[in-house]
Amino acid sequence: AQKITQTQPGMFVQEKEAVTLDCTYDTSDPSYGLFWYKQPSSGEMIFLIYQGSYDQQNATEGRYSLNFQKARKSANLVISASQLGDSAMYFCAMREWSNAGNMLTFGGGTRLMVKP
Amino acid sequence: EAGVAQSPRYKIIEKRQSVAFWCNPISGHATLYWYQQILGQGPKLLIQFQNNGVVDDSQLPKDRFSAERLKGVDSTLKIQPAKLEDSAVYLCASSSRLGSKVGELFFGEGSRLTVL
Repeated sequence: AQKITQTQPGMFVQEKEAVTLDCTYDTSDPSYGLFWYKQPSSGEMIFLIYQGSYDQQNATEGRYSLNFQKARKSANLVISASQLGDSAMYFCAMREWSNAGNMLTFGGGTRLMVKP
Repeated sequence: EAGVAQSPRYKIIEKRQSVAFWCNPISGHATLYWYQQILGQGPKLLIQFQNNGVVDDSQLPKDRFSAERLKGVDSTLKIQPAKLEDSAVYLCASSSRLGSKVGELFFGEGSRLTVL
C-alpha cells in the first residue's frame, strides 16, 4: 500500500492566488513527521515545511502553511499569493519514528504551474 | 555552511557498463541517504548509512548496485552492470538530529544518469 499519496499530477494557479496541494498518508505509527519539499527544474530538493504528529498547531513558514488533519490522515500544503517562481514539482514525505532507519518516504509529486 | 556535494552531475553510459557516483554530506551529519528518482516519480530510498554502518538497504538491487561509506564521511554508489531502467537522477542527502527541523534532510543537486 502507498504510504504517501498525492492525487494531483499537475495543477495550474493564477499568479497572486492561493493554491492547495493535496497529500494523504498511511501509518500506524503514533509518532511521525510530515515534510513538503519543492523541486525546481534544476533538480535540487528544497525543504519547505515540517509538521510533527504531536504538534498542536498547523505549521506555517512564510507563504507556506500546512493544513494538518490528523483524523483524515491528510497534510495539504497551502501556498498563498503564488509567484512565478513557485512553478516546480512538490513532494510530500513522511518519516515514521518507530522505524529503525527513520528514512523519508516520498509521494509521487504534484507539478505546479503558475500562470502570469 | 557548505551543502551536500555530488559528482558527476551528468553521466551517459551504455547498458552493461559501470558507473560510480560520489557524495560528500554536510560536515557533521552522521546520516547519509542515497535516493533514486526516475523521471516523473518521487525519490525512492536505495540505502541509508549511519556513520559508516548500513541502516537500511532493503530496496537496493544488490545484484548490480553497491554503496560504501568507509570513513563515515563521503560515500560512493556504484552500478555494475547498468541496465536501461537505471536511467534516473541519483540524489544524495544527509541529516542530523541537531538540525533546526527534526530529521530534516538536506539534498545535493543530484547525478543524472542516462543509460543507452
